[in-house]
Amino acid sequence: ELKVEQNPLFLSMQEGKNYTIYCNYSTTSDRLYWYRQDPGKSLESLFVLLSNGAVKQEGRLMASLDTKARLSTLHITAAVHDLSATYFCAVDRNNDMRFGAGTRLTVKP
Amino acid sequence: DVKVTQSSRYLVKRTGEKVFLECVQDMDHENMFWYRQDPGLGLRLIYFSYDVKMKEKGDIPEGYSVSREKKERFSLILESASTNQTSMYLCASSLYGGGSIRSPLHFGNGTRLTVT
Repeated sequence: ELKVEQNPLFLSMQEGKNYTIYCNYSTTSDRLYWYRQDPGKSLESLFVLLSNGAVKQEGRLMASLDTKARLSTLHITAAVHDLSATYFCAVDRNNDMRFGAGTRLTVKP
Repeated sequence: DVKVTQSSRYLVKRTGEKVFLECVQDMDHENMFWYRQDPGLGLRLIYFSYDVKMKEKGDIPEGYSVSREKKERFSLILESASTNQTSMYLCASSLYGGGSIRSPLHFGNGTRLTVT
């Protein structure tokens, strides 16, 4: 059974600091997705990582994928308040997508 | 942009009622999904469909059924609503990729269902 684990589940950061969210999954897959959810809203796609060693960056967020380690990371650089949200990783499996529990990020001034 | 529209944003129903949640997408996507989202549990898949009249059970199908009569519409049905079905329900769609999704999911805004 495919399991997707994220950590930490809760993250409180100061503005300007760096941090990394980790996503581990239990079975082979070379497609991993990161989503963002703002409070009271639905999920929006951030990154799609399609191969081992893939790295995608947008603004202060950078995602990477290591399929051999079954690990993806979402790195936050010089956090700002606007990044406060819940971040989900997800792995696809036979036409459905299994989500991690989410990391609730709060960036404090 | 892909648009996934869920018919209701908030819904309050009584125990035992039959409840219909409707979802329509406008991008001709083959795959459609119903998830429920609960605090601390993330998103859990209820049912998905990769073609008209096709459906597959997800991880928590008990107490739910689905209907996909047209490609753009995927309905979730609670046959007899119970209080433990109080949740946020999210519909999503994606392109089909020959055995895998191969595109991110596009989500609707969600329906917050309360069963009293």
